[in-house]
Amino acid sequence: GQNIDQPTEMTATEGAIVQINCTYQTSGFNGLFWYQQHAGEAPTFLSYNVLDGLEEKGRFSSFLSRSKGYSYLLLKELQMKDSASYLCAAMDSNYQLIWGAGTKLIIKP
Amino acid sequence: IAGITQAPTSQILAAGRRMTLRCTQDMRHNAMYWYRQDLGLGLRLIHYSNTAGTTGKGEVPDGYSVSRANTDDFPLTLASAVPSQTSVYFCASSDSERGSYNEQFFGPGTRLTVL
Repeated sequence: GQNIDQPTEMTATEGAIVQINCTYQTSGFNGLFWYQQHAGEAPTFLSYNVLDGLEEKGRFSSFLSRSKGYSYLLLKELQMKDSASYLCAAMDSNYQLIWGAGTKLIIKP
Repeated sequence: IAGITQAPTSQILAAGRRMTLRCTQDMRHNAMYWYRQDLGLGLRLIHYSNTAGTTGKGEVPDGYSVSRANTDDFPLTLASAVPSQTSVYFCASSDSERGSYNEQFFGPGTRLTVL
């Protein structure tokens, strides 16, 4: 079957670094997405990886290892506004997204 | 209109009633999607449409129907609502001709409560 696993909740301190992990099992693979979702709002796109390695975009970076079925989202210089849920989603062979339940990130001052 | 709009924002509905959730996008995206989001679960795909005139079933299609008469609109209908359909519903769209990946853009959501 198809499955996405990510931690339910994480806590970090303002100004620090946090890594949110995601493992996936899908029928075929056409890339790994990360979305951010603030409470009561719609998900918004953060990153896309289809090749192994690290993609950096400002304070956010995303890593993919296709052989391990593993990705992580790295957030640096955490700000209070980064408090949100982070959704991992893998695209299967039919180009449909399989979503994880999301990781709620709590930032403390 | 800029992006994707959904209506209504929220709705309380009696069980057994018929309800249509509206979704409109102005980005000329080929593909559109309906998801439901429930606490502790990931987004689950209800129905999708790769292009106007075609639709497909997602992971949880039972009790829902969709139509795609044109590029911009993708309404979701609950023929006879049941309490288990209480959820937040998100409409999304993507440009399937853009390239090697399909970033999905989401509407603001409809919070539906079925009593």
